[in-house]
Amino acid sequence: SQQGEEDPQALSIQEGENATMNCSYKTSINNLQWYRQNSGRGLVHLILIRSNEREKHSGRLRVTLDTSKKSSSLLITASRAADTASYFCATDEGSNYKLTFGKGTLLTVNP
Amino acid sequence: DGGITQSPKYLFRKEGQNVTLSCEQNLNHDAMYWYRQDPGQGLRLIYYSQIVNDFQKGDIAEGYSVSREKKESFPLTVTSAQKNPTAFYLCASSGTSGIPGETQYFGPGTRLLVL
Repeated sequence: SQQGEEDPQALSIQEGENATMNCSYKTSINNLQWYRQNSGRGLVHLILIRSNEREKHSGRLRVTLDTSKKSSSLLITASRAADTASYFCATDEGSNYKLTFGKGTLLTVNP
Repeated sequence: DGGITQSPKYLFRKEGQNVTLSCEQNLNHDAMYWYRQDPGQGLRLIYYSQIVNDFQKGDIAEGYSVSREKKESFPLTVTSAQKNPTAFYLCASSGTSGIPGETQYFGPGTRLLVL
């Protein structure tokens, strides 16, 4: 089952620009997470936002959560070529340890 | 150095053969997971284990088996019943806090190819 769905599927920008990715989900959640994956590598956790939070920052990352719309956005400011990766949102299913991942947004930052 | 290790990095399977992927963690995490990732796709959960000697099927468990005899180890066997095993397999762990939906920490992955 696919809980989170990212949008767009692919995004190409120039270095220095901001990148925004969106995630929609279907059921109620305890929290939502964003992960990054470089090509052929494992996932790396970026940020976790709880259902009672609306916005969270970590360095150049800003995450928002709108539980009424069941959606989240990830903003990467002043992007760098090294930000080129796939970005996934993941949601829990309430009462256990499972996370459900979306299909991801492939971000390409051109130098 | 704390983390999750997976081996091998590449694995080749012959028709009708069972193969086992290794996953070890030294993060003292209770929960461990196996995911499958196909090209351009997200992660799909194969099996997960919240505690030693216990595990549950995920969304695509058919053709796979696991064991959890030690807290640190969660090997995945891809059996001959799995007809389309070519994929990237990721192991993860979480859960020292016991709160649902905690951060998962991933290994580097094993790419399985069929000869």
